[in-house]
Amino acid sequence: QSALTQPASVSGSPGQSITLSCTGTSSDVGGYNYVSWYQQHPGKAPKLMIYDVSNRPSGVSNRFSGSKSGNTASLTISGLQAEDEADYYCSSYTSSSNTWVFGGGTKLTVL
Amino acid sequence: EVQLLESGGGLVQPGGSLRLSCAASGFTFSSYAMGWVRQAPGKGLEWVSVISGSGGTTYYADSMKGRFTISRADSKKTLSLQMNSLRAEDTAVYYCAKSVRIGMGPFDIWGQGTMVTVSS
Repeated sequence: QSALTQPASVSGSPGQSITLSCTGTSSDVGGYNYVSWYQQHPGKAPKLMIYDVSNRPSGVSNRFSGSKSGNTASLTISGLQAEDEADYYCSSYTSSSNTWVFGGGTKLTVL
Repeated sequence: EVQLLESGGGLVQPGGSLRLSCAASGFTFSSYAMGWVRQAPGKGLEWVSVISGSGGTTYYADSMKGRFTISRADSKKTLSLQMNSLRAEDTAVYYCAKSVRIGMGPFDIWGQGTMVTVSS
């Protein structure tokens, strides 16, 4: 069982905005601004999309944005495109073990 | 070009050992923490271990403590993961990754992964 909880699947139509959630506890998501999000296409290595809750690495589209409220972090993708179809994983520092943990991942389907 | 290239994966029997290596290029290796993340077939990502940029501090997921050892050779721009007492549940693709900072943190650069299969 993953330390962070993500919905197994989410779907949306091209052009729409969708939000993926990541729920933890006060020992991880809620206690630190150290949440990151990764995109993974089948057979490929993960790609960092958001770090430190809302920072975008250079080269990542501004259609991707991150936020946090309490123990839940969110990744919002606006103007959904076919290429956004992938698995998305959240990750956070956790003080309970002084390590990082991943969520179970959300499969995003673009209809 | 910033690049990470893993090697050392393969088939090993339960209880056996394997050493993974990761060759880095295109960035100042010593200035960043480095780590390993694994992914079992058809499953999600699992954080494995990180070593700080100074090499002085190492971190391990609970299930790897005492069995896995992470190390780095900054002069050779190489990261290693020594895996002992391997179990079937250690079967996974192992990714080498670079942290965004000198300490433990999110990973912005990933290798292509190397497959480790633990089976008799």
